[in-house]
Amino acid sequence: NAGVTQTPKFQVLKTGQSMTLQCAQDMNHEYMSWYRQDPGMGLRLIHYSVGAGITDQGEVPNGYNVSRSTTEDFPLRLLSAAPSQTSVYFCASSQGRKGGTEAFFGQGTRLTVV
Amino acid sequence: TQLLEQSPQFLSIQEGENLTVYCNSSSVFSSLQWYRQEPGEGPVLLVTVVTGGEVKKLKRLTFQFGDARKDSSLHITAAQPGDTGLYLCAGVDSGYALNFGKGTSLLVTP
Repeated sequence: NAGVTQTPKFQVLKTGQSMTLQCAQDMNHEYMSWYRQDPGMGLRLIHYSVGAGITDQGEVPNGYNVSRSTTEDFPLRLLSAAPSQTSVYFCASSQGRKGGTEAFFGQGTRLTVV
Repeated sequence: TQLLEQSPQFLSIQEGENLTVYCNSSSVFSSLQWYRQEPGEGPVLLVTVVTGGEVKKLKRLTFQFGDARKDSSLHITAAQPGDTGLYLCAGVDSGYALNFGKGTSLLVTP
C-alpha cells in the first residue's frame, strides 16, 4: 500500500519562483490537509479539503494555494516563494465523515528558499 | 486555533527510566491523538483517546485523557532507545482538522 505519496522529497527554490508540491493518496480518504513543520513550532495547518471541489484555509494560508479536483490528489502551490516558506511540508489524509480521524502522513517535502 | 501546550519540550534520559509527557489546553476537544515522528518521516498515530478519564495502554506506553477532555498525558515505562523520537499531541475539533502541540523531543540513550 502506497498510502500518502509526496513529491518531491527535496527542493531548492530561488525567491520569487513558483512551484507545486504534489500529494496523492490511494486510500479513498475524504479529508486531506497540508501542514508545515518548523523547528520548535510543531505542525501548522496551511489548507485542508473535506472532499473533491471543496477547500478551506487553515492557520497559515498566506502565500499558498490549493485545489482538489479529484479525491486522490491535493497539490499545494507556492505562488512566489519567500525565504519564510523554507520548511518541511507534510500532506495528510483521513477518512473524515466516513468514520476515522486518524491522519496518515506522507514522508514530507523539505523546501529551501534562497 | 485552539492552543495545545506540550511539556517538556526536550527530554534526554537513560534506558530503563520512566517519563511522562503532558499536553494541556484551555479548550475542550472531541478527541485527542498522540503521534510519534522519527527523523525524515511523517508522524504516525499511536493512539486516540475519546472519553474523559479514558486510559489506554500500548505496551510500555500509557495514555490518559483528562476528565474535562482538555488535557492528556503520555507515560513511558522503562524507556528504550527505540522510543527516541518526537511525540506530538493533536486535538481534534468539531471538524477534522488536527491542532498540534509543538512536540516533545525524546532521546533515550543506552
